[in-house]
Amino acid sequence: GIQVEQSPPDLILQEGANSTLRCNFSDSVNNLQWFHQNPWGQLINLFYIPSGTKQNGRLSATTVATERYSLLYISSSQTTDSGVYFCAVAGGGNKLTFGTGTQLKVEL
Amino acid sequence: EAGVAQSPRYKIIEKRQSVAFWCNPISGHATLYWYQQILGQGPKLLIQFQNNGVVDDSQLPKDRFSAERLKGVDSTLKIQPAKLEDSAVYLCASSPLGGRWDEQYFGPGTRLTVT
Repeated sequence: GIQVEQSPPDLILQEGANSTLRCNFSDSVNNLQWFHQNPWGQLINLFYIPSGTKQNGRLSATTVATERYSLLYISSSQTTDSGVYFCAVAGGGNKLTFGTGTQLKVEL
Repeated sequence: EAGVAQSPRYKIIEKRQSVAFWCNPISGHATLYWYQQILGQGPKLLIQFQNNGVVDDSQLPKDRFSAERLKGVDSTLKIQPAKLEDSAVYLCASSPLGGRWDEQYFGPGTRLTVT
């Protein structure tokens, strides 16, 4: 099956800082999603981005499908951005394979 | 638009007991998924339904886990008998069609503790 690697595994930022999270995957994909899992465990959809670039407020994402990676950018981070960020991909079907996540902590 | 609903939110049982979880997907979504998330890991797919038929249950431990989606809407996931290693969050998700381009939406999950 598809392998998904995320980096860094842990990240601590001061409020207002910018960051880049990376997701590498081992095969071609038809679906790639970024999620934020909040402290209550809810998976919140951030981006559906199998290719190209999207922006939503302080967040943006880029997927370069031919090189098998995706990047999530967080600008002007806030304490509410804390939590785990997951990248998930699907190949031929729609079975999502998740990475191990990036644990982000934003401090005042 | 209402999101994916799950109940209960929390459940504590003893090993060898049985437990059932319920999921109501987003209205009109044809495809429903159950994922298991063990602490510190990403979610792992257990079973995928397209309407009321099973598309993928390759990672479902069928000796103890069962799932059904009657009438192609609500779904229940059952564990009988539970083991300590079943302690996890069980997430339900749905997508409109289930095709390779579909975005999945997740419910709040059920946190199961087996003692």
